[in-house]
Amino acid sequence: GAVVSQHPSWVICKSGTSVKIECRSLDFQATTMFWYRQFPKQSLMLMATSNEGSKATYEQGVEKDKFLINHASLTLSTLTVTSAHPEDSSFYICSARAGYPNQPQHFGDGTRLSIL
Amino acid sequence: GESVGLHLPTLSVQEGDNSIINCAYSNSASDYFIWYKQESGKGPQFIIDIRSNMDKRQGQRVTVLLNKTVKHLSLQIAATQPGDSAVYFCAENGSGGTSYGKLTFGQGTILTVHP
Repeated sequence: GAVVSQHPSWVICKSGTSVKIECRSLDFQATTMFWYRQFPKQSLMLMATSNEGSKATYEQGVEKDKFLINHASLTLSTLTVTSAHPEDSSFYICSARAGYPNQPQHFGDGTRLSIL
Repeated sequence: GESVGLHLPTLSVQEGDNSIINCAYSNSASDYFIWYKQESGKGPQFIIDIRSNMDKRQGQRVTVLLNKTVKHLSLQIAATQPGDSAVYFCAENGSGGTSYGKLTFGQGTILTVHP
């Protein structure tokens, strides 16, 4: 149980294009979803938190106009990297949590984004 | 701000040995902790969690110990296998304020198991 699917797993695109990443909870309803960024050999850094039907809450230093988050249903959240540039290249990982804050987050397998 | 850190960034063990991975946390108000395993190119995988009203919790081949007095968390893996090789993260679940319900991850420990 508690499976989170993330798609695509890997994407390469030209600078200036926008990229959408999907995160789905397959066997549970996710009231809250999270988006993280991870650089090589480093820990996970929280970018934003989204609750179904509400606007996402962004961490300090994360540009909300650059990283658009939509959480339209209890099983789907999307992250769109707008006008991507090489410095946006990274490993993006989503997680989902079913209920109360003192429940574990379950993670997708990440999306490797490379901007040329 | 609050942080969760690890004492040992790397750990090498022989197959069959027991492994212990340590973590220090700084927020004494934290009431929930999670250990995750991350294999190369994948997302973190839930291993075990513990709440602050407990000091020990056991799973299959894994045990988590919580010492609230010194704000220390450890993950013990029994009979370590090559498939256990990965990066292990402890994570602290924020208990209040702007960190409420959010995970703060430690720096990670690379566990390498030699056959």
